Amino acid sequence: AQSVTQLGSHVSVSEGALVLLRCNYSSSVPPYLFWYVQYPNQGLQLLLKYTSAATLVKGINGFEAEFKKSETSFHLTKPSAHMSDAAEYFCAVSVFDDYKLSFGAGTTVTVRA
Amino acid sequence: EAQVTQNPRYLITVTGKKLTVTCSQNMNHEYMSWYRQDPGLGLRQIYYSMNVEVTDKGDVPEGYKVSRKEKRNFPLILESPSPNQTSLYFCASSTSTGTSGAYEQYFGPGTRLTVT
Repeated sequence: AQSVTQLGSHVSVSEGALVLLRCNYSSSVPPYLFWYVQYPNQGLQLLLKYTSAATLVKGINGFEAEFKKSETSFHLTKPSAHMSDAAEYFCAVSVFDDYKLSFGAGTTVTVRA
Repeated sequence: EAQVTQNPRYLITVTGKKLTVTCSQNMNHEYMSWYRQDPGLGLRQIYYSMNVEVTDKGDVPEGYKVSRKEKRNFPLILESPSPNQTSLYFCASSTSTGTSGAYEQYFGPGTRLTVT
């Protein structure tokens, strides 16, 4: 079965600084990888996904992630944090012909003015 | 507007009192799923449905029931709620054409349940 591990349950960054959220996956077959964001009192919204095309994936709100098979990683980055980026971020994995999404524990991002 | 709706958004109940959380989607999606979110554990799948009258257990199905009589609706039933079912619940849906695992799941706004 596939799984993901998110390193760091809380990340605090200054406004304008780099945002880096780490995600490592485990899967015996090629994975599909997702980053979802959850703003306070809202459901989850897709930021970006990797589905075996380009390894560098660009998403909404200036976020991007790079799939690195050799490192089994799918880290999320944004060059310059904005106050509106304060939210909880979830990495998730699925595989071909299986709808099951396995989520990481989540990383809460706080942005300091 | 394409969306997944859940009701109620907040619910406080007592141990043993049966309750139903409704979920409805207007995107004609075949696949629907329920998750619970707990601090430090992320989202865990409770039940899912591939289509009408087709449901199956997820990772944490104990204490829950579901039904899928219509394509758009997927209610979650707690026959005898207990305090350990206090959680934030999300319904999600996805299309099922093509490469299933690659498709985005659309999430409802969540239902915060407290069982005392």
